[in-house]
Amino acid sequence: DAGVIQSPRHEVTEMGQEVTLRCKPISGHDYLFWYRQTMMRGLELLIYFNNNVPIDDSGMPEDRFSAKMPNASFSTLKIQPSEPRDSAVYFCASSPAGFQPQHFGDGTRLSIL
Amino acid sequence: QQQVKQSPQSLIVQKGGISIINCAYENTAFDYFPWYQQFPGKGPALLIAIRPDVSEKKEGRFTISFNKSAKQFSLHIMDSQPGDSATYFCAASNSGSARQLTFGSGTQLTVLP
Repeated sequence: DAGVIQSPRHEVTEMGQEVTLRCKPISGHDYLFWYRQTMMRGLELLIYFNNNVPIDDSGMPEDRFSAKMPNASFSTLKIQPSEPRDSAVYFCASSPAGFQPQHFGDGTRLSIL
Repeated sequence: QQQVKQSPQSLIVQKGGISIINCAYENTAFDYFPWYQQFPGKGPALLIAIRPDVSEKKEGRFTISFNKSAKQFSLHIMDSQPGDSATYFCAASNSGSARQLTFGSGTQLTVLP
C-alpha cells in the first residue's frame, strides 16, 4: 500500500524563483496537512484540507505561500517569490476521517540560494 | 497555551538501557497525545499514542506514561537498541480542532552499541 508521496525530494533554486511542491495523499484519506520543519522552529503546521477544502491556513507564513488541492489525490504548495529563509524540509501528511493518526511523506528538502 | 515543551533536546543511552523523554503542555483541551519517530531523510512516523483517560499505554518496548494533573507525559523506551537511534517528537491535539497537531521540539536519541 503506497504511502504519502511527495515530489521533488530535493529542490535547489535561486531567490525570487517560484517553487512548487507536490503531494499525493494516501487513497481514501480525507485530511491533508502541509508542515514545515526547521531547526529553529521545529515542525509547524502550515495549512490543512478536509475533502479538498482548505480549513485552516493560519500557519501559512505570508502571502508568498499558497496551497491548493484540486482533487482528492493531489495537492500543491507554492512559494512565489522564494526567499532564503524559506529553506526547510516541507512535509505533507494525510489521515482518514475520524480520529486517526497522520501519515507523513518523506518530505521535500528545499534550499533557496 | 498551544505550546508543547519537550526535554531533553538530546539523549545518549547505552544499548539495553532505558530512554526517557518528557513533555509538558498547558492547554487542558488537548485530549490526544501521540509520539512520532523520525529517521534522517524520512518523515515522522507514529510510534504510540495515548488519550487522557488512561495513565499508561505500552506497546512492546515503548511505554507512554501520562499525568493529567501535572499536564505531563513521557515516553519510555525499554531495552534501548541502536536501531532506536532517531529523533522523537511528542505532540498534542484537541479532538475538537480536527486533529491539528502541536509538536514538541524533538529529542535526538543516540543508542550506543
